Amino acid sequence: SQQGEEDPQALSIQEGENATMNCSYKTSINNLQWYRQNSGRGLVHLILIRSNEREKHSGRLRVTLDTSKKSSSLLITASRAADTASYFCATDAGTYKYIFGTGTRLKVLA
Amino acid sequence: GAVVSQHPSRVICKSGTSVKIECRSLDFQATTMFWYRQFPKQSLMLMATSNEGSKATYEQGVEKDKFLINHASLTLSTLTVTSAHPEDSSFYICSALIWGTSGGGTDTQYFGPGTRLTVL
Repeated sequence: SQQGEEDPQALSIQEGENATMNCSYKTSINNLQWYRQNSGRGLVHLILIRSNEREKHSGRLRVTLDTSKKSSSLLITASRAADTASYFCATDAGTYKYIFGTGTRLKVLA
Repeated sequence: GAVVSQHPSRVICKSGTSVKIECRSLDFQATTMFWYRQFPKQSLMLMATSNEGSKATYEQGVEKDKFLINHASLTLSTLTVTSAHPEDSSFYICSALIWGTSGGGTDTQYFGPGTRLTVL
């Protein structure tokens, strides 16, 4: 399977803490994207990082990309209860098809 | 921003019946759309690529006769689950592709809200 892997599979933290989740993938990529999915709902696009970028910020989100290790991380700072969701990375190898990671289920406790 | 809708959002059907799910791009045209399937607490798995005016391209292991895809217009793709069985119960998500610009923009998929299919 070409599917990427994410860890941890599940993460439970207190409100105000930072949450870090990691994504590893198998092939060379053009870009990598992170998505959020609330339970039983569609995907919300969070951030895109291109293969020639190493770090990107958007509000409370920080994404890093290490193409030599074929891995990316998503950091959510000062988490809120509303951040409770599943988070997926998706890689684009230039074929315009996305390969999704296995996902991290984040629970932020109020 | 680009909006993609799906209809219905939920459907319950009896085993052996066929179910059609629609995916529409509301404010843009999409020559390429994708259909994904997601089981509970699992990731999205690409089922097929839907191309306007031509046959869909199915991923390995996906039965084309079971999951019929029609992309008859630039704003609509349909997925028909034929002779549905309980194991077809899943969350089906479509996306529509906007090609990047020639200046180096990124090809971007915009996702629909999903359709939950339950087969009794």
